[in-house]
Amino acid sequence: AQSVTQPDIHITVSEGASLELRCNYSYGATPYLFWYVQSPGQGLQLLLKYFSGDTLVQGIKGFEAEFKRSQSSFNLRKPSVHWSDAAEYFCAVVPDSSYKLIFGSGTRLLVRP
Amino acid sequence: DAGVIQSPRHEVTEMGQEVTLRCKPISGHDYLFWYRQTMMRGLELLIYFNNNVPIDDSGMPEDRFSAKMPNASFSTLKIQPSEPRDSAVYFCASRMQTGPGSEQFFGPGTRLTVL
Repeated sequence: AQSVTQPDIHITVSEGASLELRCNYSYGATPYLFWYVQSPGQGLQLLLKYFSGDTLVQGIKGFEAEFKRSQSSFNLRKPSVHWSDAAEYFCAVVPDSSYKLIFGSGTRLLVRP
Repeated sequence: DAGVIQSPRHEVTEMGQEVTLRCKPISGHDYLFWYRQTMMRGLELLIYFNNNVPIDDSGMPEDRFSAKMPNASFSTLKIQPSEPRDSAVYFCASRMQTGPGSEQFFGPGTRLTVL
């Protein structure tokens, strides 16, 4: 079945440590790929997106993501986490030209002081 | 720009009552989306509009739910009658018609509690 998978429900990292959040998708063609962040009580904000070109994309707040076609993955990374990065992170895809955004289940990031 | 505006931010109602959620998209955006977020089901697309016309309502859970977009600057999501299982956060989002890769901008959401 077509899906977006975020295998980690929770991740806890220390402030200053590096971060990688995993995302895998199962669609036939390369979909449009997105990472959104949701702070507590807030709406979703786009961090970055990919649909063609350079497979390493840079986003806001120091985040980057790498598209790997062979692994059907689009993992989000940050070299040094700040306490303000504590939030829930959603990977999402638009699998075709339908404009429908399909979300993963989310990963909640906790940051230890 | 004020972004996507949703009202009310919080709604508490009793089972059986009608609930109306409101959304004002970003000016100039051609697409409007309604999502529901719950712990059990995550973020689900309910319905989306293009140029005020409903394009896909396959995510609307049942006939108790209806959505309208009477003009480019306003949309409603109505639940009648409401049930406790409708308790969730409902998000509205909008985007421009510049291809599937363009960004959806989300509102702050309406937290609905049905007692």
